[in-house]
Amino acid sequence: SQQGEEDPQALSIQEGENATMNCSYKTSINNLQWYRQNSGRGLVHLILIRSNEREKHSGRLRVTLDTSKKSSSLLITASRAADTASYFCATAARDTGFQKLVFGTGTRLLVSP
Amino acid sequence: DAGITQSPRHKVTETGTPVTLRCHQTENHRYMYWYRQDPGHGLRLIHYSYGVKDTDKGEVSDGYSVSRSKTEDFLLTLESATSSQTSVYFCAISGGGASTDTQYFGPGTRLTVL
Repeated sequence: SQQGEEDPQALSIQEGENATMNCSYKTSINNLQWYRQNSGRGLVHLILIRSNEREKHSGRLRVTLDTSKKSSSLLITASRAADTASYFCATAARDTGFQKLVFGTGTRLLVSP
Repeated sequence: DAGITQSPRHKVTETGTPVTLRCHQTENHRYMYWYRQDPGHGLRLIHYSYGVKDTDKGEVSDGYSVSRSKTEDFLLTLESATSSQTSVYFCAISGGGASTDTQYFGPGTRLTVL
């Protein structure tokens, strides 16, 4: 079963707008990661945030983690058409003995020019 | 793609035939993984390896076997392919201290079982 569930399933915005997607999970984690997948390609790692961290930044990306709510959000600021992709969260969770990443089903982001 | 190749990139086969997919890395990373990606399911772990000859099962391991005789190669075998194994298969590697550190993905293999 999926540990992380992304919300929304799909998001459509205009260039220059911010995009926010959320990930909720079920059991304790030691880290949470976000990946991007362009159509027909493999996944690309974006950010890893550990359970003792609350926020991380990388360029136009901002990730927050709220372990009390078992949720994370990925914010992409000033979106570009090139940000069009699917975004996945992945968790290293207690129910796998913290040994395996479990991926969610993803958020499809469409950024229109 | 971080020094990861997968072969073949596309394969069409018939039900009941054996199929082997190869993942090759040039990064000397310890961990290697096989995932399958299907609509509505995201990525699901099939098997992973934490060293030469050391492997463990993932969420959807039934019908699949793996082997790792060298650091750089991780093979996924479908002993007798079924239509339910039609999917896109991704290999990933990780060189961190834990199996759940950052993973780097290959380009994928699209497998169709008729």
